[in-house]
Amino acid sequence: QKEVEQNSGPLSVPEGAIASLNCTYSDRGSQSFFWYRQYSGKSPELIMFIYSNGDKEDGRFTAQLNKASQYVSLLIRDSQPSDSATYLCAVNTGSNYKLTFGKGTLLTVNP
Amino acid sequence: EAGVAQSPRYKIIEKRQSVAFWCNPISGHATLYWYQQILGQGPKLLIQFQNNGVVDDSQLPKDRFSAERLKGVDSTLKIQPAKLEDSAVYLCASSLMLGKSYNEQFFGPGTRLTVL
Repeated sequence: QKEVEQNSGPLSVPEGAIASLNCTYSDRGSQSFFWYRQYSGKSPELIMFIYSNGDKEDGRFTAQLNKASQYVSLLIRDSQPSDSATYLCAVNTGSNYKLTFGKGTLLTVNP
Repeated sequence: EAGVAQSPRYKIIEKRQSVAFWCNPISGHATLYWYQQILGQGPKLLIQFQNNGVVDDSQLPKDRFSAERLKGVDSTLKIQPAKLEDSAVYLCASSLMLGKSYNEQFFGPGTRLTVL
């Protein structure tokens, strides 16, 4: 069973702080990694993807990938109350590029 | 560009009844996915279509769930008979093509199913 593990939280940070979200995966053959944001009652929306070791930055978001440790993270700088949501880590594996999701981490940014 | 459309948005049924959900993907998207998301969990893939062929249905409970995408465009997911544990949000997603490691999936608004 290929698994994706996330700390379910909730993770609470003050406005303006850095939020750090973590994810580990079990399948060493995993090829690409995605972070989705899901607001309560809404569907997931893609915010970042990464497939090479190292860091990838997009505005206030930075994704970090370490394939040797089977670890991927998402940093949110200058957190805003509008960032309050559940963040889902998803891993793409296999020849059909099936996505396996973690349970998600609930982030709350306090004004 | 119109997004992924799903209907109905909400459905309440009693156990042992049947229910069907409909999905229309983004125009031109060859790959269509149905996910089940139980409260507090991440989406779980039920079935993946490439055009009108099934790519992966390994997690579809085939004794009660069925899905089709006859003309390679829209799709229906059916549950017959429903159980209490089928209460969840059913998400449809589509992507442009298979065979690329980066292949963004776009999600529809979902159908929230409650089984009483």
